[in-house]
Amino acid sequence: DSGVTQTPKHLITATGQRVTLRCSPRSGDLSVYWYQQSLDQGLQFLIQYYNGEERAKGNILERFSAQQFPDLHSELNLSSLELGDSALYFCASSVEQGSTGELFFGEGSRLTVL
Amino acid sequence: GENVEQHPSTLSVQEGDSAVIKCTYSDSASNYFPWYKQELGKGPQLIIDIRSNVGEKKDQRIAVTLNKTAKHFSLHITETQPEDSAVYFCAARVYSSASKIIFGSGTRLSIRP
Repeated sequence: DSGVTQTPKHLITATGQRVTLRCSPRSGDLSVYWYQQSLDQGLQFLIQYYNGEERAKGNILERFSAQQFPDLHSELNLSSLELGDSALYFCASSVEQGSTGELFFGEGSRLTVL
Repeated sequence: GENVEQHPSTLSVQEGDSAVIKCTYSDSASNYFPWYKQELGKGPQLIIDIRSNVGEKKDQRIAVTLNKTAKHFSLHITETQPEDSAVYFCAARVYSSASKIIFGSGTRLSIRP
């Protein structure tokens, strides 16, 4: 158990809909990262937050947004969903701000868009 | 650039033999290179990492080598065991617009009994 909690574990929805994925980092970790893993693909970096502020951005679509709340949990919002958004979405957390140490990953939220 | 390329995409080795996975990176400023193992149905987990001030690091049956001049690094697993079967990801810290960890595309390692 990494200590990172992601909900929901599975989500099935239709094209055009909007969903919210939630992540609770390890106790004491201030950084939260979101990654997308499509079928047989690697981990695509989406975005990082540190103590409530956005720190780094990857190839995140404009239809996607995220935030980190004062209690440090984070939410990834996916809107106007398309079939190609079907993927496993991972959240990870770390103590450091600058991506210099171990990332602790949750078990992921599997999104299926029909 | 932010590319991390990983080869091979799949690898099958006999139990007890060695496995080698290779990665290259494009950002010459990269200085941190972790390797993660992802078992079925789980999130990736760090197994070893190396920083640019060393060329090799070992931890029991796994070792990582780094060649900064050539911008490539490799994972070596010796005396492979069935529990080594998993997907392995290399990664690099890049600095294009902000510091972030970029992953390779993964190698699915299968250990044949």
